Amino acid sequence: QQQVKQSPQSLIVQKGGISIINCAYENTAFDYFPWYQQFPGKGPALLIAIRPDVSEKKEGRFTISFNKSAKQFSLHIMDSQPGDSATYFCAASKNFGNEKLTFGTGTRLTIIP
Amino acid sequence: KAGVTQTPRYLIKTRGQQVTLSCSPISGHRSVSWYQQTPGQGLQFLFEYFSETQRNKGNFPGRFSGRQFSNSRSEMNVSTLELGDSALYLCASSLFVAENNEQFFGPGTRLTVL
Repeated sequence: QQQVKQSPQSLIVQKGGISIINCAYENTAFDYFPWYQQFPGKGPALLIAIRPDVSEKKEGRFTISFNKSAKQFSLHIMDSQPGDSATYFCAASKNFGNEKLTFGTGTRLTIIP
Repeated sequence: KAGVTQTPRYLIKTRGQQVTLSCSPISGHRSVSWYQQTPGQGLQFLFEYFSETQRNKGNFPGRFSGRQFSNSRSEMNVSTLELGDSALYLCASSLFVAENNEQFFGPGTRLTVL
């Protein structure tokens, strides 16, 4: 049972544009939602995380938007750069991240000049 | 502060063999989790150890096992390897019992089963 659905599977955005990746979850017990960035040959690295008591969190060019009633959250990358080209995973966890991470299927993002 | 380290980085084994992978967490981190990453199944949770005890386990067969030592270093073992075990095995460490408990991943061990 896939508990976190992620879309799109792949995304091509022009440099300077906005990249948007969406995730939806089923388990209302989830209370911690991180986004990870993974480059080829590397492990996933935490980008930004949010808890359901806030609707938006911003760190630099990265913003998470969270809709608790719809059980959806999304990652927005503003002013996308070629260096942002990577695979992005959303995830969800219970107990403020102190339980296992359930990952989405990943989005391969390519930023073109 | 050094990150999570995993050894070896690459392994080639044949079916039926067994393998042991090692993970050293970030200093001070007491929780270590293992994940399997494959193109078909994505990232899947294997198990988590805290204070040398398995705290949580994913839906993997008993061929997959692990342990944690008193210094928080962890090993995972896969016995009777199958072709489908070819994957990137990732270790993640965290403080545990923390608000917004971040998990930090190592670079992974790429296992190829022939």
